[in-house]
Amino acid sequence: NAGVTQTPKFQVLKTGQSMTLQCAQDMNHEYMSWYRQDPGMGLRLIHYSVGAGITDQGEVPNGYNVSRSTTEDFPLRLLSAAPSQTSVYFCASSYSSRDGNTIYFGEGSWLTVV
Amino acid sequence: ELKVEQNPLFLSMQEGKNYTIYCNYSTTSDRLYWYRQDPGKSLESLFVLLSNGAVKQEGRLMASLDTKARLSTLHITAAVHDLSATYFCAVGASYNFNKFYFGSGTKLNVKP
Repeated sequence: NAGVTQTPKFQVLKTGQSMTLQCAQDMNHEYMSWYRQDPGMGLRLIHYSVGAGITDQGEVPNGYNVSRSTTEDFPLRLLSAAPSQTSVYFCASSYSSRDGNTIYFGEGSWLTVV
Repeated sequence: ELKVEQNPLFLSMQEGKNYTIYCNYSTTSDRLYWYRQDPGKSLESLFVLLSNGAVKQEGRLMASLDTKARLSTLHITAAVHDLSATYFCAVGASYNFNKFYFGSGTKLNVKP
């Protein structure tokens, strides 16, 4: 019963490096999203996807790219890491129902940019 | 853009006491969610509130929604130490079914 799986859990990057945070879900959910969580703040939406081949920007998209080639996978790419991108990143998937969306979060990825 | 404000941001209380966390939001929405987060962990869904006047209860926690006042409350009854965590409310955007906006969280510390 994997749910939403994120890798890596911890990563240290140097300024200017690029990397990809992986996210996979095995629940056949249509919707997937990436959030970042900074100290003392709630989660802020980076990018989201409503299905394979469809992505859109959230509140804080700058410096990040996403793609959704399959229903299961939604990787987040940092193009040129900056210290301001030091944060905890959560991937989430959800489905819509008459009971509202139920959002399932991954375990989080702790990223430090030095 | 939808804004979500929670208060208080920090709450320290004694076991056995009652308290309420408030979640205000700025524009119309009929979807309100409450989550719990333990330190270093992911978010755990507590409640989903979908209509005006909705009330849900689970153990010592009770959540309610007033869409006219754009206000949700999370009431804690007879707090116990195990409830210590950070609680977030999240509001679904009415114009986009897949966008959610989170409050800053309320860090609750229940002292034994």
